[in-house]
Amino acid sequence: AQSVTQLDSHVSVSEGTPVLLRCNYSSSYSPSLFWYVQHPNKGLQLLLKYTSAATLVKGINGFEAEFKKSETSFHLTKPSAHMSDAAEYFCVVSDLPTGFQKLVFGTGTRLLVSP
Amino acid sequence: EAGVVQSPRYKIIEKKQPVAFWCNPISGHNTLYWYLQNLGQGPELLIRYENEEAVDDSQLPKDRFSAERLKGVDSTLKIQPAELGDSAVYLCASSFSAGAGNEQFFGPGTRLTVL
Repeated sequence: AQSVTQLDSHVSVSEGTPVLLRCNYSSSYSPSLFWYVQHPNKGLQLLLKYTSAATLVKGINGFEAEFKKSETSFHLTKPSAHMSDAAEYFCVVSDLPTGFQKLVFGTGTRLLVSP
Repeated sequence: EAGVVQSPRYKIIEKKQPVAFWCNPISGHNTLYWYLQNLGQGPELLIRYENEEAVDDSQLPKDRFSAERLKGVDSTLKIQPAELGDSAVYLCASSFSAGAGNEQFFGPGTRLTVL
């Protein structure tokens, strides 16, 4: 069965410094991988997705992630953090053994951004 | 374009009482999902609808939970009777279909507190 492990429950950065949120995945098939962001009292929003095309994926708000099959990783990065980036981030894996895109979420990483 | 709408946003009830959550998906989306998000965890799929048919309800606790999607549009998730452990956020999502590449759009959720 597919799963994801988010290696940090909390990450704290200063505004203007780089962001790195780590994710490792496990899948029996060629996975699709996603990062979602959840701001307080708002719905989950898709940041970016990998679906076996380019291994470096660019998303919204300056975020990007790199699929590394040899390391089974899909870490999320951003060169310069903004205060508005403070939120909960979820790494998500999906495969299609039955033709249905079932999303399996990690436990989340809370990003704290200080001035 | 309106997103996924959920109501109520917050609900507080006593244990053993019934409760219902309502979801209106994005217009034209055939697939509707209900997820459960416990505190500090990622969402977990409860049930998936293709139009009005529940095609994956294996994670729905059927002794107390029920769901319906009459006419293949709006959906209602019900708990009767509620238990203390049901306190969580209930998320609704929709997508055009369940196949690969179809983004799931999430509503803001209903936060349930059972006292």
